[in-house]
Amino acid sequence: GAGVSQSPSNKVTEKGKDVELRCDPISGHTALYWYRQSLGQGLEFLIYFQGNSAPDKSGLPSDRFSAERTGGSVSTLTIQRTQQEDSAVYLCASSWRQSSYNEQFFGPGTRLTVL
Amino acid sequence: QKEVEQNSGPLSVPEGAIASLNCTYSDRGSQSFFWYRQYSGKSPELIMSIYSNGDKEDGRFTAQLNKASQYVSLLIRDSQPSDSATYLCAVNWNTGNQFYFGTGTSLTVIP
Repeated sequence: GAGVSQSPSNKVTEKGKDVELRCDPISGHTALYWYRQSLGQGLEFLIYFQGNSAPDKSGLPSDRFSAERTGGSVSTLTIQRTQQEDSAVYLCASSWRQSSYNEQFFGPGTRLTVL
Repeated sequence: QKEVEQNSGPLSVPEGAIASLNCTYSDRGSQSFFWYRQYSGKSPELIMSIYSNGDKEDGRFTAQLNKASQYVSLLIRDSQPSDSATYLCAVNWNTGNQFYFGTGTSLTVIP
């Protein structure tokens, strides 16, 4: 079946602009995660959604970052007033449900470059 | 502070050899453990998950978990050049939603 999809695959923007990144999880997966991976670095957790529960936003680095998930499916990560340090690959992952036993499957990522 | 640590490498092994990748974690409450492979410029791909002490085998891959010593390892038998990638260890603590990732070990299999 179809995997996790993300769009756009690449985004180049100017400092100060807002960007929206989209994630479409695997059908039936209720848990959705956003991560950020900077060049040569590990994955940094950003935010987690599970069904209709309030999201876990504890990883968001600043109030310029926000995310929503509509209808328990597609999610959008928004970065306002982008800064050069926001340049990274933004990865989305989904799993069946919130449980530490459940395996996450990653999308191809969105490479964000802030000039 | 919950931490997952991996030797960044690079680790080089000849083709056909066994590659051994190690990961240690800081919290004894950890419940589940995952190994991901990440090719350059690509997203992480799940290789194996392990939840209980001992070994779990899947083809050429064996995951080993020792909760008492707080480490998890991945063995790759008969290493192939196509195994050359960065291997990420991920740990989930049973107290929260987050999966913590190590920074990865770079593996090169030399033909």
